[in-house]
Amino acid sequence: DTGVSQDPRHKITKRGQNVTFRCDPISEHNRLYWYRQTLGQGPEFLTYFQNEAQLEKSRLLSDRFSAERPKGSFSTLEIQRTEQGDSAMYLCASSPTTEGNTIYFGEGSWLTVV
Amino acid sequence: AQSVTQLDSHVSVSEGTPVLLRCNYSSSYSPSLFWYVQHPNKGLQLLLKYTSAATLVKGINGFEAEFKKSETSFHLTKPSAHMSDAAEYFCVVSDTNAGKSTFGDGTTLTVKP
Repeated sequence: DTGVSQDPRHKITKRGQNVTFRCDPISEHNRLYWYRQTLGQGPEFLTYFQNEAQLEKSRLLSDRFSAERPKGSFSTLEIQRTEQGDSAMYLCASSPTTEGNTIYFGEGSWLTVV
Repeated sequence: AQSVTQLDSHVSVSEGTPVLLRCNYSSSYSPSLFWYVQHPNKGLQLLLKYTSAATLVKGINGFEAEFKKSETSFHLTKPSAHMSDAAEYFCVVSDTNAGKSTFGDGTTLTVKP
């Protein structure tokens, strides 16, 4: 069990560019979550997958954001036409069905939009 | 609907003294409650969880929390603080079996030598 893995850990991008983050969940965890955390705040829910199905999306996930989990394993979070307000840490988490709503987080991906 | 309020944004204690981090919650159903810890520039680590079993929950690193339904509280305690406990602590509520969890704004714990 290697834990939830996120890549890249840090990304600096210019406003207007697209960025993509990847998350590899703990193996055999069929649920995967994305959260966003800004400085001084707690994480905010973005979206949730069970296997390859995206079951819930927050209103925070604007049209510029898209998340996929095509084969029910790894997931990607893409942000198009980045804005300075997108600067945050993007956290991925996963959980097995057997543990209900207990989620295990990765180290996060820091995004800085300049 | 679910929400959580962490009553103190900052708590400062001396090493070796007790720690109390306060959390109140609101939930439409019988909730699950969690405490997570986050060290600087790191992800979140699960400290402990309450999922309708024993109301006094023991976690890692000597932390424990007590679920009090009548007070809608889930306060985190530790008998004796260690320097390595300095971090950000988040109280979390979830009233579904999966999906969205709601985090508090966090409490920064400082431990003085």
